[in-house]
Formats: sequence, structure tokens, C-alpha cells
Amino acid sequence: KNQVEQSPQSLIILEGKNCTLQCNYTVSPFSNLRWYKQDTGRGPVSLTIMTFSENTKSNGRYTATLDADTKQSSLHITASQLSDSASYICVLWMDSSYKLIFGSGTRLLVRP
Amino acid sequence: DAGVIQSPRHEVTEMGQEVTLRCKPISGHDYLFWYRQTMMRGLELLIYFNNNVPIDDSGMPEDRFSAKMPNASFSTLKIQPSEPRDSAVYFCASSLSAGRTGSPLHFGNGTRLTVT
Repeated sequence: KNQVEQSPQSLIILEGKNCTLQCNYTVSPFSNLRWYKQDTGRGPVSLTIMTFSENTKSNGRYTATLDADTKQSSLHITASQLSDSASYICVLWMDSSYKLIFGSGTRLLVRP
Repeated sequence: DAGVIQSPRHEVTEMGQEVTLRCKPISGHDYLFWYRQTMMRGLELLIYFNNNVPIDDSGMPEDRFSAKMPNASFSTLKIQPSEPRDSAVYFCASSLSAGRTGSPLHFGNGTRLTVT
């Protein structure tokens, strides 16, 4: 079973609309949870980093939330733009193994 | 800041040939990571270095894979001999820490390897 599961696998929205991507994890404890954006043909780029004690972190139109009780994180994108079309990856830093655990990502397509 | 630089961007080779991927990390970063990305398995950590020393190579698939970091500004990932199942995008990333303190990993744009 994957330790970090993301949903939906893919999503299509119209430009200007909001959307929320989900990340459910089973691993603990962890030091921080990250969201990365990966454009096609490029490497992942860090959007937000939250410690386990933080509930929310924003970066422009991107807002990440973390609920440690339900072991869920979400990434909310406001007023989507065509340039938001990318894969979004949820990542946890595991203290026990000293490694990052990656989700499989959500592919977002923003249409005009 | 030029970011993490990887070369080549694309590599097509025949099965059995040696392949060498190169990476220049961001200056001042003390951690360097090699990842492999495929549609089926997503991002997988192959090996990481701290201050040029390999710390964890448990993700290296088999003896055909080797990585070196001769100095703080250069690393290589070598596959010899290459096989079709090695086809993937290989990413190099660098960071000021391994991840515990929350420092982001900075990824290069990857090398797309195709082994025929």
C-alpha cells in the first residue's frame, strides 16, 4: 500500500476556477509535508513546506492545509491560470528513514 | 543562480552501452540526490550524498548503477551496461539539508534516457 496517496489522479478545470487536490498519508511521524509542482519536461519545484504542527501555508494563489488528526493535506488553487497545468506532488519527510516519501501526483489541466 | 544543471537533457542509447549522466548542484548546497521517475513508479530515490560522501545508496537498482561525487560541484550517475528497463527520466536535486529542517530540494530539469 502506498504511504502517500493523492486524489484525484487527474483533473480538468476551466481557467479562473478554483480547485482542491488531496493527499492522504499513513506514515508518521514526519517532520514536514511539502507540495511540489512539476511542469511537463521539467523538474519539480517546491510550492509549500509545512511542519507537522502547522495547519496552513500559502504561496500566492496556492494554499496548503494539513490535518494531522485525519492525516490529510490539501492544496487549494485559487483563480486557476493556464500556467497551473502541471502535476502536483505531495511529499513527506520521514525522520525514521531520513528520506522523502513521494505521492504519485495529480495531473491538473486548466482549459481556456 | 543557475539552479541545478543536468546534462545531457536527452540520451538515446542501445542496450549494453554505458551511459553517464551529469549534475552540477547549486553552489553551497551540501546534499545531492539522484532520483528516477517513471509513469509506473513515480519518483524514486536512487542515492544521496552529504558533503560529497554517499550516505544512502539503497535505492540503486543493481550493480549496473554507480554514482560519484568527486567534488562539491559535480556528480555523475553511470549505468553500465544499460538495459531497456532503465529508460526513465533521471533527476538530480540539491539542498541545504536532507529535508528534516524543511529546506526545499531544488531539482534539475532531468535527463530523459531511452535505451533501445
